[in-house]
Amino acid sequence: DTGVSQNPRHKITKRGQNVTFRCDPISEHNRLYWYRQTLGQGPEFLTYFQNEAQLEKSRLLSDRFSAERPKGSFSTLEIQRTEQGDSAMYLCASSNLGVNTGELFFGEGSRLTVL
Amino acid sequence: KQEVTQIPAALSVPEGENLVLNCSFTDSAIYNLQWFRQDPGKGLTSLLLIQSSQREQTSGRLNASLDKSSGRSTLYIAASQPGDSATYLCAVHPPEGYNKLIFGAGTRLAVHP
Repeated sequence: DTGVSQNPRHKITKRGQNVTFRCDPISEHNRLYWYRQTLGQGPEFLTYFQNEAQLEKSRLLSDRFSAERPKGSFSTLEIQRTEQGDSAMYLCASSNLGVNTGELFFGEGSRLTVL
Repeated sequence: KQEVTQIPAALSVPEGENLVLNCSFTDSAIYNLQWFRQDPGKGLTSLLLIQSSQREQTSGRLNASLDKSSGRSTLYIAASQPGDSATYLCAVHPPEGYNKLIFGAGTRLAVHP
């Protein structure tokens, strides 16, 4: 399968713990995005990378959140000192800057439950 | 600030019906508009993308139209099937490019046999 891959698919953790999600984009895609989706809502933009550079971060991304894309390939999203309000689906997407339609392709998401 | 609204929030129809899902956005200056499908607990599947210079796109039983001046898009599904049951989301790219999408809350569709 050559689509966007996310791991783990589900994570249950206790409040205060740290969690990390991984995203592997479509191989030729140079842009990678993270979104967060809560129940009954559309996804909200968190941050995006062009190659290894993080070019934009939403105000939703508090200091407890950090994202990296060290070699311009896979990306990680870490949440430190998790809170119950962090419970959501975390979606990763990728696109190819060289294709001017800007179409985004999403992964299956990583669902976080904070107890 | 761009806002995207989808009406209705939920829709239940018998199999075989043709149906229309609506999406409206407050700022007509968009780069493009993308329709997605989301099954429960799953990620998003791209259905159709309409560039700002286009008025419609078609894929199989799906047809999406775009009227930028009025800030509206519709997704038409012909001859609906139970397998079409899902949440349908529309999203717009801001004019500065495709660095981020702004989503509506979606329309939850149920097609019953």
